[in-house]
Amino acid sequence: DAGITQSPRHKVTETGTPVTLRCHQTENHRYMYWYRQDPGHGLRLIHYSYGVKDTDKGEVSDGYSVSRSKTEDFLLTLESATSSQTSVYFCAISESRETQYFGPGTRLLVL
Amino acid sequence: QQQVKQSPQSLIVQKGGISIINCAYENTAFDYFPWYQQFPGKGPALLIAIRPDVSEKKEGRFTISFNKSAKQFSLHIMDSQPGDSATYFCASYRGSTLGRLYFGRGTQLTVWP
Repeated sequence: DAGITQSPRHKVTETGTPVTLRCHQTENHRYMYWYRQDPGHGLRLIHYSYGVKDTDKGEVSDGYSVSRSKTEDFLLTLESATSSQTSVYFCAISESRETQYFGPGTRLLVL
Repeated sequence: QQQVKQSPQSLIVQKGGISIINCAYENTAFDYFPWYQQFPGKGPALLIAIRPDVSEKKEGRFTISFNKSAKQFSLHIMDSQPGDSATYFCASYRGSTLGRLYFGRGTQLTVWP
């Protein structure tokens, strides 16, 4: 997890509230990714970024938005959290795109 | 649709045994096949990877076997140890303007002492 931090590491929130998760890197990698991990589904890509202010949707992007105003920070926002968004969220970074380095994860519980 | 199919979902192996996890893909444009290892409470970490121009890659006790014609690849863990107990993900990468990894659903490996 060197060079990648995620905050918060744990969060409990209520349905309908906005939530923002932060990924911070010190590696100056160009590419950043947000995944969610759920039992039986593995890792599913939510959004990714290929540069400052350049982002695109992954396979499970509904209900999520992202922003990247600086190379080192990639924010994931749940505009109005739902119970189906209870999950473990991982940020990943990459310079080559082939190899991704994952952060420690954020456990989110939506009540 | 699922780009990479992984099996089994869970695997129990005795210490010293061989663990085998299989993956299959459909898209022949994939050109890089990594395996990630994840311990409880941690993020996944790259374990070993292979390109389709070779049929096998070995790093210590871990070996990837790759069958291009069958569009399948597998991870073999020789002399499995309790410390190998983790979740393993296979993945496939397609290089393009916006290349990305496609992950299998994971295999939870338990090695009994």
